[in-house]
Amino acid sequence: GAGVSQSPSNKVTEKGKDVELRCDPISGHTALYWYRQSLGQGLEFLIYFQGNSAPDKSGLPSDRFSAERTGGSVSTLTIQRTQQEDSAVYLCASSLAFGADTQYFGPGTRLTVL
Amino acid sequence: QKEVEQDPGPLSVPEGAIVSLNCTYSNSAFQYFMWYRQYSRKGPELLMYTYSSGNKEDGRFTAQVDKSSKYISLFIRDSQPSDSATYLCAMSVQNNDMRFGAGTRLTVKP
Repeated sequence: GAGVSQSPSNKVTEKGKDVELRCDPISGHTALYWYRQSLGQGLEFLIYFQGNSAPDKSGLPSDRFSAERTGGSVSTLTIQRTQQEDSAVYLCASSLAFGADTQYFGPGTRLTVL
Repeated sequence: QKEVEQDPGPLSVPEGAIVSLNCTYSNSAFQYFMWYRQYSRKGPELLMYTYSSGNKEDGRFTAQVDKSSKYISLFIRDSQPSDSATYLCAMSVQNNDMRFGAGTRLTVKP
């Protein structure tokens, strides 16, 4: 499995609950990116990591969203007190280095908030 | 106005047709331009990558960038049913802060 993996592939939750989405980047990739894809809206950039550091968190939609990365590898995106408008596909991508030309995407986590 | 505009389609063509996909943008500082292909329930995969203006060809695919018009295109020759997917344009200033179009859904009918 050399690609980016994400878990879970699907998540259904009730409004108000917290959810955690996980991303395993390609081994050796130092840069990691989170995007949100809503129907008809394209990909919305959320946050990126250089190593374990996220220099710019301004893309996160609200303070209910947070992300961390540990050991320069796995990253988790946490959404607290989920709302129906959070329903979307959350995509993770990684690249060899920050600014490298190719970002490799995972299959995404489809989040549905009831 | 969105930074990147892309007609979401859907676009339906017969097998063998030439497909033309386009995006316009407003930020003249964009200098990296990409096309991604996304199959249903999969993540996007990079199809074409262009720096600054000009054309780039790869097999049946040709990417064109016209910075003076802030317009980029992807042409698919001899389209195949396996080309049926959503095509997303993306662009960035520094090759990391990508902005995506909404994606055009393409169906190539046998």
